[in-house]
Amino acid sequence: NAGVTQTPKFQVLKTGQSMTLQCAQDMNHEYMSWYRQDPGMGLRLIHYSVGAGITDQGEVPNGYNVSRSTTEDFPLRLLSAAPSQTSVYFCASSYPNQPQHFGDGTRLSIL
Amino acid sequence: TQLLEQSPQFLSIQEGENLTVYCNSSSVFSSLQWYRQEPGEGPVLLVTVVTGGEVKKLKRLTFQFGDARKDSSLHITAAQPGDTGLYLCALSNTGNQFYFGTGTSLTVIP
Repeated sequence: NAGVTQTPKFQVLKTGQSMTLQCAQDMNHEYMSWYRQDPGMGLRLIHYSVGAGITDQGEVPNGYNVSRSTTEDFPLRLLSAAPSQTSVYFCASSYPNQPQHFGDGTRLSIL
Repeated sequence: TQLLEQSPQFLSIQEGENLTVYCNSSSVFSSLQWYRQEPGEGPVLLVTVVTGGEVKKLKRLTFQFGDARKDSSLHITAAQPGDTGLYLCALSNTGNQFYFGTGTSLTVIP
């Protein structure tokens, strides 16, 4: 049972490049979320999904897109990376109204 | 404006000491979770508290939910180096969105 798997673990991009952060869970959880973690800011919600085909914005959605075509996968896309998006990104999943299970994070640097 | 405030932000203590960290909100919330995060890993759930005044114990960790359900505390007795990590509180509105505090970074010195 792998839980929540995030890839890649590390990535360096140049300003303006695009990329997709992958997140997969094998627990059949309905809810999936993306957070970014910055020093002194805690975890901030970017986007979340309550089920396949349904997504919604969190606190800091600008510059990010998501889709949820299957229950298992919830990719996060950066269309045009900016230095302000340098952060550690965490994906999480859960059953409704239950605490979340987190992946180990993707450390992203934008030059 | 941070929905959840945690204090202190940093804490460094000697092994064997006791400590308390706090999580406060200006709003009433239905439940609160405490997580611990170690370097290079994602947060891991410690406990969920849902009832005002509720106290839960997890070995040397004691979690309390305030009577008015606007605050919570985590008390660690006889801290050990293995307790080192970032402690995060989080609340949920209807279970769809989770709001995290800024965290307390704890270092326990052997």
